[in-house]
Amino acid sequence: EAQVTQNPRYLITVTGKKLTVTCSQNMNHEYMSWYRQDPGLGLRQIYYSMNVEVTDKGDVPEGYKVSRKEKRNFPLILESPSPNQTSLYFCASSFNRGSDQPQHFGDGTRLSIL
Amino acid sequence: KQEVTQIPAALSVPEGENLVLNCSFTDSAIYNLQWFRQDPGKGLTSLLLIQSSQREQTSGRLNASLDKSSGRSTLYIAASQPGDSATYLCAVFTTDSWGKLQFGAGTQVVVTP
Repeated sequence: EAQVTQNPRYLITVTGKKLTVTCSQNMNHEYMSWYRQDPGLGLRQIYYSMNVEVTDKGDVPEGYKVSRKEKRNFPLILESPSPNQTSLYFCASSFNRGSDQPQHFGDGTRLSIL
Repeated sequence: KQEVTQIPAALSVPEGENLVLNCSFTDSAIYNLQWFRQDPGKGLTSLLLIQSSQREQTSGRLNASLDKSSGRSTLYIAASQPGDSATYLCAVFTTDSWGKLQFGAGTQVVVTP
């Protein structure tokens, strides 16, 4: 089954404790991206990757890191999480930005930073 | 910078009525426009994708149109059902923004039985 898998689905942690949210897709997609969704602010793109070893900032990259060492994986790293990073996070993938195939989204990761 | 707007922010209709959802964008140089559905607390499900060279796409009761010159897309849902209650979002890839995907804030739809 074609899917984007995020882990964990839920996480409560404390300020400053490094964490990683994993994202994996099984569709051989080149393009992958991370979003955060906050009430009243909608979906905002954090980082995206056009292919292996090619990443770039979205609209809200501060406080986040990513890496794309393999095509299928695109982890989101919070080196020193802060309460303002409490949010619902989504990973997505597609063949490429100009594709006639849609974006596939994961089920989301709800992060609470205390 | 691309700005994507969805009006109205919320919409309530009785079952059976047709739904019309609007999406406007400021930069017409786009690769494609996508419509998504999101149920509360869930991920996004793709409904329709319209390439920049296309005028419309249809899937079942859903029809999406694209007018690039005026920067508008409309999603029509025929004969609405309570199961259509969800938030609907549109998103565009703009040609000069590399890989950024820009979302509208969404329209929250409630279909009452």
